Amino acid sequence: EADIYQTPRYLVIGTGKKITLECSQTMGHDKMYWYQQDPGMELHLIHYSYGVNSTEKGDLSSESTVSRIRTEHFPLTLESARPSHTSQYLCASNGGSKNEKLFFGSGTQLSVL
Amino acid sequence: QKEVEQNSGPLSVPEGAIASLNCTYSDRGSQSFFWYRQYSGKSPELIMFIYSNGDKEDGRFTAQLNKASQYVSLLIRDSQPSDSATYLCAVDSGYSTLTFGKGTMLLVSP
Repeated sequence: EADIYQTPRYLVIGTGKKITLECSQTMGHDKMYWYQQDPGMELHLIHYSYGVNSTEKGDLSSESTVSRIRTEHFPLTLESARPSHTSQYLCASNGGSKNEKLFFGSGTQLSVL
Repeated sequence: QKEVEQNSGPLSVPEGAIASLNCTYSDRGSQSFFWYRQYSGKSPELIMFIYSNGDKEDGRFTAQLNKASQYVSLLIRDSQPSDSATYLCAVDSGYSTLTFGKGTMLLVSP
């Protein structure tokens, strides 16, 4: 059972609000990831981190930002939410030398009105 | 742009049959290949990974890799209704990241 947690599970918010999606893992994994997934579409990597104080942008351009101050915590922030940000956001972690056993959290379904 | 292509389906098979799911990828340098299962409304979970050409078996699942053809497949033997889900093919894109396909929806009818 993967120990990676995302909150909130669902979020409905108005345009222009600042939001932070939380992701925490208790496995001591160095590598963490944020993916975005729309219904019926592939997962798109938006941010990743190799460890504390390491953050990188993924393949999909995103207006969100991330931070990695502690190994276990990798929050994603949107300074000003817009309807185009409506999507499912999935956090994942990996502690191995290869990409196997990428553990996913339950996801946050974000709706911006 | 590295790409992973899958037929979106749905692929419909009767219970007990073999389901065959296919995936092609564009980056010849990819070394690691993964199959994830995603139930509706849930997160992906890893079911198989393969690094070398040939077959890899795990229970009812067999992953097949052909790097020359840039092709990876997943066979599910004795398909069960509980196997009904979307199956995502993922390929390493370097820098410890994965590129995912859109997934193939599998429907197993009782």
